[in-house]
Amino acid sequence: SQQGEEDPQALSIQEGENATMNCSYKTSINNLQWYRQNSGRGLVHLILIRSNEREKHSGRLRVTLDTSKKSSSLLITASRAADTASYFCATSGGGTSYGKLTFGQGTILTVHP
Amino acid sequence: DSGVTQTPKHLITATGQRVTLRCSPRSGDLSVYWYQQSLDQGLQFLIQYYNGEERAKGNILERFSAQQFPDLHSELNLSSLELGDSALYFCASSVGFPGDNEQFFGPGTRLTVL
Repeated sequence: SQQGEEDPQALSIQEGENATMNCSYKTSINNLQWYRQNSGRGLVHLILIRSNEREKHSGRLRVTLDTSKKSSSLLITASRAADTASYFCATSGGGTSYGKLTFGQGTILTVHP
Repeated sequence: DSGVTQTPKHLITATGQRVTLRCSPRSGDLSVYWYQQSLDQGLQFLIQYYNGEERAKGNILERFSAQQFPDLHSELNLSSLELGDSALYFCASSVGFPGDNEQFFGPGTRLTVL
């Protein structure tokens, strides 16, 4: 079953605009990871944020984590047509979950040139 | 390129058959994970190996099995295939203690069962 709920399911913006995707989850986590997938291809790792972190940056990406609300957001600034893809959040829990990732359904981002 | 390799890229087979998917993790990674991506179920965790030992299991069917070899490559065996097994199968790897590290995914094997 899916742990995460992503919002929105689809997002359509113009090049240069910012894109924000949200992810909510249900159980406690060790970390949360964001991935990009282009058209049924492999998953590209974007960023990992640990449960004791609140914000991380990587280039044009900014990820926040609010463990009290069990939610995370991914912000892509100054988007480009090449950012068009599906974006997934994935959570990793502790205990017997070890490293298994539980994925959300994803947000389909379309950036129009 | 994540450094994780998977073969074959595509596989077309018939119901009732058995196939083997192969994965080589990134150099130095001890953990290997298998995931299935289908239209109706999304991305689902199947099984994890760490340094040759099974460490976690997801909703993996009894018809499916996996192993990790001493050289750390892994194979996922799917038998008695059904139409519903058609999906993208991903392998991922991570370094260090399982659970606290980035997982890097391979390009996937697209399985089509006819």
